Amino acid sequence: SSELTQDPAVSVALGQTVRITCQGDSLRRYYASWYQQKPGQAPVLVIYGKNNRPSGIPDRFSGSSSGNTASLTITGAQAEDEADYYCNSRDSSGDLYVFGTGTKVTVL
Amino acid sequence: VQLVESGGGLVQPGGSLRLSCAASGFTFSSYGMHWVRQAPGKGLEWVAVIWYDGSHKYYADSVKGRFTISRDNVKNTLYLQMNSLRGDDTAVYYCATDQDYAFDNWGQGALVTVSS
Repeated sequence: SSELTQDPAVSVALGQTVRITCQGDSLRRYYASWYQQKPGQAPVLVIYGKNNRPSGIPDRFSGSSSGNTASLTITGAQAEDEADYYCNSRDSSGDLYVFGTGTKVTVL
Repeated sequence: VQLVESGGGLVQPGGSLRLSCAASGFTFSSYGMHWVRQAPGKGLEWVAVIWYDGSHKYYADSVKGRFTISRDNVKNTLYLQMNSLRGDDTAVYYCATDQDYAFDNWGQGALVTVSS
């Protein structure tokens, strides 16, 4: 089955920009979606498709993709953006799904 | 949109449990649905998906042959029948709606603990 790899942790100064990456072979064929999860809460979808934000997600969140790497960028990080972030995509069969290993974002 | 999971609890290894996810606030019969789980202190793991009409179902290798996803589009409810439960099935189980191959609405989760 496919795997999606993320850096375990990144930090960003308040108001600065941070990029979270997700690597995997299936990303050459399928878009990634991105989820924010705060402690004790259910995940929240922040980016899906080419670069789509669900209603209510601030426009400081954006997504991109190149080759086998998908990226989530937070431009002007806020204290409330401190959370775990997971990518997800379909696997090579197109029928199954796989989550990335997760990235803990700390806002300094 | 509201998704409410129920049916979690403590079960012995080898036992069975059925989770339910009651949906409201949208046309349930028009959307694919997923189950996703998260073991304590661990990351998210996709479990299973069922198409809007129940015609196709797919499972993660870790649960295939033990878990069954189903839905009742009259009762607006999603199910996960879990058999032959093991310790590594201990997790919070979330149901989620499918939107363009993403999980756009999530329930609050149901805790399943497999232990003797």
